[in-house]
Amino acid sequence: GDSVTQMEGPVTLSEEAFLTINCTYTATGYPSLFWYVQYPGEGLQLLLKATKADDKGSNKGFEATYRKETTSFHLEKGSVQVSDSAVYFCALSRTGAGSYQLTFGKGTKLSVIP
Amino acid sequence: DAGVTQSPTHLIKTRGQQVTLRCSPKSGHDTVSWYQQALGQGPQFIFQYYEEEERQRGNFPDRFSGHQFPNYSSELNVNALLLGDSALYLCASSFGFDGGVHEQYFGPGTRLTVT
Repeated sequence: GDSVTQMEGPVTLSEEAFLTINCTYTATGYPSLFWYVQYPGEGLQLLLKATKADDKGSNKGFEATYRKETTSFHLEKGSVQVSDSAVYFCALSRTGAGSYQLTFGKGTKLSVIP
Repeated sequence: DAGVTQSPTHLIKTRGQQVTLRCSPKSGHDTVSWYQQALGQGPQFIFQYYEEEERQRGNFPDRFSGHQFPNYSSELNVNALLLGDSALYLCASSFGFDGGVHEQYFGPGTRLTVT
């Protein structure tokens, strides 16, 4: 079945450091890929998405590129801020035939210290 | 414009009891999905409702059931509660059911504790 593997957390970075959170997936066909963020006490928010190979999703300074050859969708940000502290989830969905079921990784907790 | 709302925020139940969780989708959305998020884990898909019918179901037992109302709101029911049902239950809504990529908007969740 479909699965998503993320790097284990927690990750602690100093403000303005470079961030990478690795994500790889297993799925048949060509899934769409997502990064969601969950701030303390809140629901999940879509951060960015990519729907086909070589697409780059970007939002709020975060980027991720859909790499079909390595089945990866790593999240990056050039300079993190304290406000980026949250849990980040990589997810995939297969589309078609009215389906939009999300399969999530376990999440990576990011803490950014001043 | 209200986003996805869920009630109650927190709930404590005893093993063997039954529970009902409620969700109102974002305005204009017609599809509702439910997810279970255990502590320290990613959300797991329970089922999805569109046009008042269950359209897809994840790997959850029949103790988990749901309903969607004509106004698109939804309920999740869990019977014969087990300790392992303790989790954050997330509702997500989206618009359309045509196989395309539709952003799902998540509510804040209901924290269920089974003792």
